[in-house]
Formats: sequence, C-alpha cells, structure tokens
Amino acid sequence: GDSVTQMEGPVTLSEEAFLTINCTYTATGYPSLFWYVQYPGEGLQLLLKATKADDKGSNKGFEATYRKETTSFHLEKGSVQVSDSAVYFCASLLNTGFQKLVFGTGTRLLVSP
Amino acid sequence: GAVVSQHPSWVICKSGTSVKIECRSLDFQATTMFWYRQFPKQSLMLMATSNEGSKATYEQGVEKDKFLINHASLTLSTLTVTSAHPEDSSFYICSARTLAGQYFGPGTRLTVT
Repeated sequence: GDSVTQMEGPVTLSEEAFLTINCTYTATGYPSLFWYVQYPGEGLQLLLKATKADDKGSNKGFEATYRKETTSFHLEKGSVQVSDSAVYFCASLLNTGFQKLVFGTGTRLLVSP
Repeated sequence: GAVVSQHPSWVICKSGTSVKIECRSLDFQATTMFWYRQFPKQSLMLMATSNEGSKATYEQGVEKDKFLINHASLTLSTLTVTSAHPEDSSFYICSARTLAGQYFGPGTRLTVT
C-alpha cells in the first residue's frame, strides 16, 4: 500500500542554520504531496504542497520539490528561526478513488537561539 | 483560515467508562470528517471517515462498536470511546475536508486509568 517515510527526529539546530528533513513516498499512482506543521498545543497546519512531478511548494521560507525519479519530497529552509520549532509531517494523497491522506511519522525540529 | 475545534483538549477517565470527544468546524461546513489516532513518536493513523448523515467507514482493525462516530451535522462530529481501557490512551485528532482542503483540530489527549 501507499506509505510515507521521513527521517526520525529530533532535529536540533541553531538559529540561522540550514534545515533539511527527508521524506520519501511509495504510491501506486502519482500522489499529491504535502508538508504539515504542528506547533505545540495546536492542530496540524498545511505548510506547503505539490501536486505533480517537478512542482516546488513554498511557504514561509520553506521549500520542497516533488521528485518523481527519487520518489522524494524533502523539506528545506535556508535559515531556521526559533519560532520554527515544531513537528513536521510529510503526507501523500492519491488523486484517484477515495482520497485519504497518508502520513509519515513526523519529525520534531528544535531550534535554539 | 478554516478552524476546527475539539473538546475536550484532554480528558482522564477510569477504565470501563465511556468518553465523548467533539469535533466542530467553526466557520465552514465539512462534508467529510476524519478521525485519527496518534501514538507517541508515531504517525497519524486514520481510524474512520464519516460523511454527514451516513454511517462512518472504519479502517481495518478499528472496532466500530468501541469507537462510535456520529456525524449529525455539517459542522459537528463526535467520537465516543466506549468501555475505555488503558490501551485506548492516546492522542485523538479530527479533521474536516472541504473543496479547499483538509483542516485539522488541535487534538484530544485521552488517558484511561
């Protein structure tokens, strides 16, 4: 079945460091891909998405590119801030049949000043 | 943006009792609502999908008689954990889908003693 694998955390960085959180997927078709962020005490919020190969999603300085050849959707940010500390979830959504999001396990990011 | 609320945010109950969790879409109508369960350091696991006015569709391995879902209106869905046991202790998250996207509640932490 469809699945999403992302790197285990926590990822600990200093402010202004470069961030990469790896995410790979398996799917029988061509899913849409998402990154969600969960701040402490809050629900998941959509951070960015990409719907087809080579699309780049971007928001708040975060970027991820849909790579069909490597089945990946790695999240990157050039300079993290303390306020980026949160849990990040990669997810896929197959665009056929009944659409159900498939989530990775989440990666906790801790940014220190 | 679209807001989904959950109540309560946390609850402690004794083994054998039942607990009801409410999920509301505050400023939009949701034709489909989802209930997820999240274990520590694990992914969100879809429990069931519900459409307003119809019976919920449960994922394989989820006991429908234990986890009762009611979706009586386009803005309210409830999850009742019946005869709760310590192994039901978990973080329960609801989500509501519209044409614009899928939105998540902040979650409810259930502890069964």
